[in-house]
Amino acid sequence: TQLLEQSPQFLSIQEGENLTVYCNSSSVFSSLQWYRQEPGEGPVLLVTVVTGGEVKKLKRLTFQFGDARKDSSLHITAAQTGDTGLYLCAGGFKTIFGAGTRLFVKA
Amino acid sequence: KAGVTQTPRYLIKTRGQQVTLSCSPISGHRSVSWYQQTPGQGLQFLFEYFSETQRNKGNFPGRFSGRQFSNSRSEMNVSTLELGDSALYLCASSGMGGSNTEAFFGQGTRLTVV
Repeated sequence: TQLLEQSPQFLSIQEGENLTVYCNSSSVFSSLQWYRQEPGEGPVLLVTVVTGGEVKKLKRLTFQFGDARKDSSLHITAAQTGDTGLYLCAGGFKTIFGAGTRLFVKA
Repeated sequence: KAGVTQTPRYLIKTRGQQVTLSCSPISGHRSVSWYQQTPGQGLQFLFEYFSETQRNKGNFPGRFSGRQFSNSRSEMNVSTLELGDSALYLCASSGMGGSNTEAFFGQGTRLTVV
């Protein structure tokens, strides 16, 4: 059974700090997706990574796919209060989701 | 263009009853997937429909079923409700489905079973 484990489960930081969250698996995935979900809303796609070793940037967010395509990371530079939310990684044709990292950025 | 619409937004049902949830995908999208989200289990895949056919299914009991109509609208049904079925039910639509296509989620239906 393919599983995606995310860490940390919860992160509370001050505005302006940098952070990294992780998505790990013992299985190889053809691609991984990252979503952000805000309270009362459905998840919104941030990025899809496909190639091992790939790095994608979305403004202050940097996503990396591991060389072996078993893990991925999301790095946020100079976090803002608007980054607050639940960050989810997904794979397996969007049938497998990690439990998420709940990020709270304090002003 | 209009996003994914789920109705109703909130629902309270009694144990043993059945419930039907509705999802209208983005116009032109043919794939609709359903998910259950709970604090304990996270987001879990229920099933995916594409062109009125179930294309993929998660590991849920037969009490959970769904269907898709010719206009791509989809319904999900849960029979003989249990307390543990209380959750946020999300649907997501995408053009063709598949691993790399973007899925657009609705706001979900919050089901409470009492």
